[in-house]
Amino acid sequence: DAGVIQSPRHEVTEMGQEVTLRCKLISGHNSLFWYRQTMMRGLELLIYFNNNVPIDDSGMPEDRFSAKMPNASFSTLKIQPSEPRDSAVYFCASSSSHRGLDGYTFGSGTRLTVV
Amino acid sequence: DQQVKQNSPSLSVQEGRISILNCDYTNSMFDYFLWYKKYPAEGPTFLISISSIKDKNEDGRFTVFLNKSAKHLSLHIVPSQPGDSAVYFCAARYDYKLSFGAGTTVTVRA
Repeated sequence: DAGVIQSPRHEVTEMGQEVTLRCKLISGHNSLFWYRQTMMRGLELLIYFNNNVPIDDSGMPEDRFSAKMPNASFSTLKIQPSEPRDSAVYFCASSSSHRGLDGYTFGSGTRLTVV
Repeated sequence: DQQVKQNSPSLSVQEGRISILNCDYTNSMFDYFLWYKKYPAEGPTFLISISSIKDKNEDGRFTVFLNKSAKHLSLHIVPSQPGDSAVYFCAARYDYKLSFGAGTTVTVRA
């Protein structure tokens, strides 16, 4: 199994541009989490999907952020328009159980820089 | 509101000695605690966990201790090895949600 795959690995964009981050889950996993890592706040949960349905998006910072899960194996996180304060590493993670008893499997992350 | 706190941003330890990483939490509803390890340019990987009904869990060189009354847990690595140099995140679970600390960077000196 290739694990959780995120693309791109690095993204540099200008302020105001749209950014789309992508995530492919591990086959058979049905829970998907998007996290953002910053120096100040560590890992913050942005949104959680279970069986393709968004369950908790309370961590999404603003309306500029949106996430979709069009099928059981793929998710996107979109920022439109992007701002310099969005610069961070964005991780997605998947789990085979609703309660994450086996721990989450994280992707390698997308490092986003907004200039 | 940070419900999980790792107050030491960094730790330096000599190879072969013990590394002790600390974590404090505020939410008494957390029922499961986990430690993740992260190398540069990689995602966090699961290391060890403990249920809230236990006070100790051991896996090889790694032991996690939980003190519920103090809302404190710690990770002990004995003996520390150069490959242990990484960022360690403490995490706590309530229902489906994992809340993470800010991480502690461990450097193991030869």
